[in-house]
Amino acid sequence: NAGVTQTPKFQVLKTGQSMTLQCAQDMNHNSMYWYRQDPGMGLRLIYYSASEGTTDKGEVPNGYNVSRLNKREFSLRLESAAPSQTSVYFCASLNWGRQGGYEQYFGPGTRLTVT
Amino acid sequence: AQSVAQPEDQVNVAEGNPLTVKCTYSVSGNPYLFWYVQYPNRGLQFLLKYITGDNLVKGSYGFEAEFNKSQTSFHLKKPSALVSDSALYFCAVRGSSNTGKLIFGQGTTLQVKP
Repeated sequence: NAGVTQTPKFQVLKTGQSMTLQCAQDMNHNSMYWYRQDPGMGLRLIYYSASEGTTDKGEVPNGYNVSRLNKREFSLRLESAAPSQTSVYFCASLNWGRQGGYEQYFGPGTRLTVT
Repeated sequence: AQSVAQPEDQVNVAEGNPLTVKCTYSVSGNPYLFWYVQYPNRGLQFLLKYITGDNLVKGSYGFEAEFNKSQTSFHLKKPSALVSDSALYFCAVRGSSNTGKLIFGQGTTLQVKP
């Protein structure tokens, strides 16, 4: 089991460029999440997908879009990158409920710099 | 509104001494509480959780946490710290809906000195 994988690991963008962050999980989890981590602010939820075919906004969705491509894959798109989007991005997955265990599993992260 | 607070940005302990990393929460209903650890340039790793049952929960790497409902706290503890425990620790609480969303504290850096 690879768990949760993310690509790329590092990315540098110029202001206004677009890119898609990819996330995949092989644990057959129903729910998937995108977070950003900034110093002193913990992790903040950008978007999530409670189940295949659904997506919802989290705490900081502005400037981002997501696609739940299938049960395994959940991508995050920056249409026009801004310096304020410089951050480390984490994808996570979960099978919510007693059988799933309740805890989220995280990918290794993507470090994004926007100049 | 639901929230998590980690009042200390950094905790310093000597190797072999006990350590405590503090967490308090505010949530409606029964809290589902979690601790995660992040080593440099890595993703978050699950340490332990409280869902129901015994107030003292044991987790990975010798860590444990005590749920205190009256004080709305869920402090992370370890009887004897190791230098390798040095990392960033996050407390989290489940959000109000049944979607698995987590609300994270801002994190506490644990520094264990030899």
